[in-house]
Amino acid sequence: QKEVEQNSGPLSVPEGAIASLNCTYSDRGSQSFFWYRQYSGKSPELIMFIYSNGDKEDGRFTAQLNKASQYVSLLIRDSQPSDSATYLCAVAGGTSYGKLTFGQGTILTVHP
Amino acid sequence: EAGVAQSPRYKIIEKRQSVAFWCNPISGHATLYWYQQILGQGPKLLIQFQNNGVVDDSQLPKDRFSAERLKGVDSTLKIQPAKLEDSAVYLCASSPTLAWNGYTFGSGTRLTVV
Repeated sequence: QKEVEQNSGPLSVPEGAIASLNCTYSDRGSQSFFWYRQYSGKSPELIMFIYSNGDKEDGRFTAQLNKASQYVSLLIRDSQPSDSATYLCAVAGGTSYGKLTFGQGTILTVHP
Repeated sequence: EAGVAQSPRYKIIEKRQSVAFWCNPISGHATLYWYQQILGQGPKLLIQFQNNGVVDDSQLPKDRFSAERLKGVDSTLKIQPAKLEDSAVYLCASSPTLAWNGYTFGSGTRLTVV
């Protein structure tokens, strides 16, 4: 079982819709959870992190964490073509103490 | 605040040749990471430094890869000899201490081994 699993997609949504990206992790000791966005040919860029169960909102982005289910998600409201990228889920803590372990990424395409 | 600097941006070498990558972290950041990202995959940690000491190099192929961080600032990652499967983007990242608030990546070095 991979430590961090994401649906590789691609996920295609129309402009203005809500994009939902999901991630599961195997280490129950994980404490911090991150979402990075990576445009083609660019390096990953941190967009959100969450530590506690529940929701965390930042503009059009909402991160959701459920530690009991070992599940993290990212919702992007009012999706724009500029949101088209690969979204990487990462976890830290537990066996990943002091470092981030990444999933394989989900490709998101927002079409006009 | 200047970001994480990496060089070169691109490198093409033949298999069995050697190559070196350089990283300068954000000023004052104690922790430095090297990741390998193969096309279509997520980044995989190769080595983690805390100041000039190695914290984790469990996934570094030590028969061909080496890394150092002299004086706890700049770092170099070397591959000798390179194999075709080493073709990837090599990302450097840094953080003030541990990764609790995530970290910032450099622009990466894209290595092609032919």
